Amino acid sequence: KNQVEQSPQSLIILEGKNCTLQCNYTVSPFSNLRWYKQDTGRGPVSLTIMTFSENTKSNGRYTATLDADTKQSSLHITASQLSDSASYICVVSDYTGNTPLVFGKGTRLSVIA
Amino acid sequence: GAGVSQSPRYKVAKRGQDVALRCDPISGHVSLFWYQQALGQGPEFLTYFQNEAQLDKSGLPSDRFFAERPEGSVSTLKIQRTQQEDSAVYLCASLRGSEETQYFGPGTRLLVL
Repeated sequence: KNQVEQSPQSLIILEGKNCTLQCNYTVSPFSNLRWYKQDTGRGPVSLTIMTFSENTKSNGRYTATLDADTKQSSLHITASQLSDSASYICVVSDYTGNTPLVFGKGTRLSVIA
Repeated sequence: GAGVSQSPRYKVAKRGQDVALRCDPISGHVSLFWYQQALGQGPEFLTYFQNEAQLDKSGLPSDRFFAERPEGSVSTLKIQRTQQEDSAVYLCASLRGSEETQYFGPGTRLLVL
């Protein structure tokens, strides 16, 4: 069964610190991997999307990495801000099309002052 | 419009009541998706439309769930004879034909008492 596992389940860090979130997947064949940020009470918002040939992609203070051989991805957040507090969801597609996507359960990040 | 909109934002229903959830996708977006998100979980795929055609409904949990998009724009997710286990956030997402990024709405939070 195609699965996406994320760790840690939750994380608390001090403002200004860096953190790294992990995503392991068993989805095959692999098409692309996305990281979404979901604020409480809102829909997910796309941060990055990477295909098989991409190892890293940045979006401001967010940097995602992908190792398609080991089926692992990470999302690194630099110089965290209070507004980074949210759930970060890893999503993997096994088609070049749009459906279905396999969602991880997310990592709940809390940034505190 | 600026983004995907959903209504109502919150819905409280008595067990056994029928509910209808509405999604207005971004204008011109061909693909539309419905997801169910339980508390603390990632979104789970329900169904997918391309224009007015429902191409995948494999995620609908029972025959009490029905979705339609008759004119290829607005979509309605209907849940008949609601049960307590239907309580969740129902997310809608749309995507332009050639893009890989799904744009999510804010969701409808359904509580069945």
